[in-house]
Amino acid sequence: DAGVIQSPRHEVTEMGQEVTLRCKLISGHNSLFWYRQTMMRGLELLIYFNNNVPIDDSGMPEDRFSAKMPNASFSTLKIQPSEPRDSAVYFCASSFPGRNQPQHFGDGTRLSIL
Amino acid sequence: AQTVTQSQPEMSVQEAETVTLSCTYDTSENNYYLFWYKQPPSRQMILVIRQEAYKQQNATENRFSVNFQKAAKSFSLKISDSQLGDTAMYFCAFMTEGGAQKLVFGQGTRLTINP
Repeated sequence: DAGVIQSPRHEVTEMGQEVTLRCKLISGHNSLFWYRQTMMRGLELLIYFNNNVPIDDSGMPEDRFSAKMPNASFSTLKIQPSEPRDSAVYFCASSFPGRNQPQHFGDGTRLSIL
Repeated sequence: AQTVTQSQPEMSVQEAETVTLSCTYDTSENNYYLFWYKQPPSRQMILVIRQEAYKQQNATENRFSVNFQKAAKSFSLKISDSQLGDTAMYFCAFMTEGGAQKLVFGQGTRLTINP
């Protein structure tokens, strides 16, 4: 079975540009999580969805960040405008419903904002 | 708020040895879930093992086992017969029974298995 698929794997762009990160969930999963990993702050949850509905976006750093689930199997995380401090690895994870269900992570997108 | 602490930033052992990674957490909840994730240099986050707090029996997955001490809020990971492929960052993570369905991660332990 295909795992969580993220694209792109690497993104390098200039400050001020719009960045869109993409995630395809594992078939049958209906919970979707976006995490950010940095050396200073480690792994942090940005936002998560259940059944396409955003449940908790308290981790989204600023209004420059937005996330959507246009359908049950796909999500985007957008940064507009991007800033150098947004440089990080962004992970998407999905799971079946329920707290005891393990979250399966994608390979992450390494984002570098120059 | 829940916090997870991994007090060993780095560890190094010889191949075939047994190694234990420590993790402590802070919570006022009675029911919760604990996880260990592995992140090799390839960057992928891989679930190693999980434990439900209401289960007294320690979870095991092949060479990986945990020592869950609920009263002490401790959740250590033991890797037996370590292999070169076990070299990775290891993250301990916590999820509450109620409230936000999110993983709270520790800062990680970088484990190196030497030949």
